[in-house]
Amino acid sequence: AQSVTQLGSHVSVSEGALVLLRCNYSSSVPPYLFWYVQYPNQGLQLLLKYTSAATLVKGINGFEAEFKKSETSFHLTKPSAHMSDAAEYFCAVSLSYEWNMRFGAGTRLTVKP
Amino acid sequence: EAGVTQFPSHSVIEKGQTVTLRCDPISGHDNLYWYRRVMGKEIKFLLHFVKESKQDESGMPNNRFLAERTGGTYSTLKVQPAELEDSGVYFCASSQDSFRGRRDTQYFGPGTRLTVL
Repeated sequence: AQSVTQLGSHVSVSEGALVLLRCNYSSSVPPYLFWYVQYPNQGLQLLLKYTSAATLVKGINGFEAEFKKSETSFHLTKPSAHMSDAAEYFCAVSLSYEWNMRFGAGTRLTVKP
Repeated sequence: EAGVTQFPSHSVIEKGQTVTLRCDPISGHDNLYWYRRVMGKEIKFLLHFVKESKQDESGMPNNRFLAERTGGTYSTLKVQPAELEDSGVYFCASSQDSFRGRRDTQYFGPGTRLTVL
């Protein structure tokens, strides 16, 4: 069975600093991987997704993630944090023969001025 | 274009009562999903409709939960009778594709926060 682990339920960075949110997955078959973001009082919004094409995936708002099979990781990064990046971020995995996604527990990102 | 909408945004009920949540997917999306997030835990899949048919309901916690999708449009999720552990945020999502191997984006609604007292 596949599962998703997000390391760190809370991450705090200074404005302008690197954002690194960690996600590891376990899967017996090649997965589809996703990062979603939830801003206050809004639904989940897709940041980016990996679907077995390029291992470095670029998303919206300057975020990107790299699929590393050997490390079973799909960490999310952004070179320079903005105050508007403060939100909760979810990593999710889905398999080719399933429709549903399995989510990690979420990481709440705080950006300090 | 309107996104996925959910009603109500909040619901507070007492244990033993009935609550019905509604989801309106993006127009033209065949796939509709329900997920739930219990406080502090991960978002968990409940079930998946393709048009009006239940494709996968393996995540439904028990028979107190009943989901329907009338005419392949909006969907309702009824909890009867509600228990304390049903509290959480219920998300609905929709996607366009109907073919496996293509992984169209699931678009999420804002969720319904259910509190059972």
